[in-house]
Amino acid sequence: EVQLLESGGGLVQPGGSLRLSCAASGFTFSSYAMSWVRQAPGKGLEWVSTFSNGDSAYYADSVQGRFTISRDNSKNTLSLQMNSLRAEDTAVYYCAKAGTQYDSLNWFDPWGQGTLVTVSS
Amino acid sequence: QSALTQPASVSGSPGQSVTISCTGTSSDVGGYTYVSWYQQHPGKAPKLMIFDVSNRPSGVSNRFSGSKSDNTASLTISGLQAEDEADYYCSSYTSSTTLVFGGGTKLTVL
Repeated sequence: EVQLLESGGGLVQPGGSLRLSCAASGFTFSSYAMSWVRQAPGKGLEWVSTFSNGDSAYYADSVQGRFTISRDNSKNTLSLQMNSLRAEDTAVYYCAKAGTQYDSLNWFDPWGQGTLVTVSS
Repeated sequence: QSALTQPASVSGSPGQSVTISCTGTSSDVGGYTYVSWYQQHPGKAPKLMIFDVSNRPSGVSNRFSGSKSDNTASLTISGLQAEDEADYYCSSYTSSTTLVFGGGTKLTVL
């Protein structure tokens, strides 16, 4: 069974940094692109970033230059380093696995349960 | 990248059918077959319901179907059941090598 477990969320002040992690199991991690999607309280889903099964990283304009996605295939872990955090970055951050080994930016299945990031003073 | 346009809410009675639209542009929905649909119940993670416009993952009821015409994709749910009440989101690959979601649609089963 595929499992994705996010961690690292919490309360951080504006301008601060936070690092999220996603521990994956139940599949060949290195073969699939992995993504982060966030959801602000009471709002819709917003794609944040994707790391391919190679060495390509993709970012939404809203986080480009502030967030860095990475993966450690030896530890089956996806990470998101978030710097210069703003109030509008407050959201539940979900980790998600690509649906196939061939598409990085298509469908996601499954998703983790999410970790809450709150940016506030 | 602007969000895809979905109706804020739709409703239907048990047994009826409802259709949720998802409108984009030729740079996303209209230009690719990479449209997906997700169901999200309150406090839960999204669940994939449709991928590549009209394909159903194993385990998803055949009451759920997807289609696309020009820049608009649609999710149809037939034989509405109480458990279908949830938020639904579409997503699409874009020509900017990004992914964009719709604003979400709240389905109410009357």
